[in-house]
Amino acid sequence: SQQGEEDPQALSIQEGENATMNCSYKTSINNLQWYRQNSGRGLVHLILIRSNEREKHSGRLRVTLDTSKKSSSLLITASRAADTASYFCATNQGGSEKLVFGKGTKLTVNP
Amino acid sequence: GAVVSQHPSRVICKSGTSVKIECRSLDFQATTMFWYRQFPKKSLMLMATSNEGSKATYEQGVEKDKFLINHASLTLSTLTVTSAHPEDSSFYICSARDMGDYRGLYEQYFGPGTRLTVT
Repeated sequence: SQQGEEDPQALSIQEGENATMNCSYKTSINNLQWYRQNSGRGLVHLILIRSNEREKHSGRLRVTLDTSKKSSSLLITASRAADTASYFCATNQGGSEKLVFGKGTKLTVNP
Repeated sequence: GAVVSQHPSRVICKSGTSVKIECRSLDFQATTMFWYRQFPKKSLMLMATSNEGSKATYEQGVEKDKFLINHASLTLSTLTVTSAHPEDSSFYICSARDMGDYRGLYEQYFGPGTRLTVT
């Protein structure tokens, strides 16, 4: 079943602004991962947050996880035009190694 | 490290022919690889889990006779689209788990994808 619903589906901002994308899921998870995909390309792993973590940082990325609400957010600070891409969250359900992807957020950063 | 390649990156074939897509883990061994399909402007849909030395596990609704998966070694899995039709046109992406990763994080490394167009 599809879970990991991101919102918004599309986001357009100006360079320098922050971009926040949200993800919700339905079942218990081992971890939640965020990926980036440039148009027509493969996925690039951005960050993984374990189910017992609440916040994680990596460069300009900040991810939060609220297991009580079954939601996560990805914040990109000081966005750049090169951040333009689609962003997906993905979860491992229970003990499964299968990843379930959300529908993604298409981010456009205007120069 | 943790690089996954796919070949070819693009392929155009005629309806009725078969196409083979390769997925290789270049610097690690993978007992498990995954095959995804992505329609334009959509998310990734898991098609099957490829297990080295055993049969692939297909997701519900995916025809195993249509999408043949072979995982003959710890670094190579192949997906063969048999008797391709225009509706099989899509972006196919593979991923692999590093069997040496004992962190239990289930992290997957993705290939760059293969664009299949069936005319």
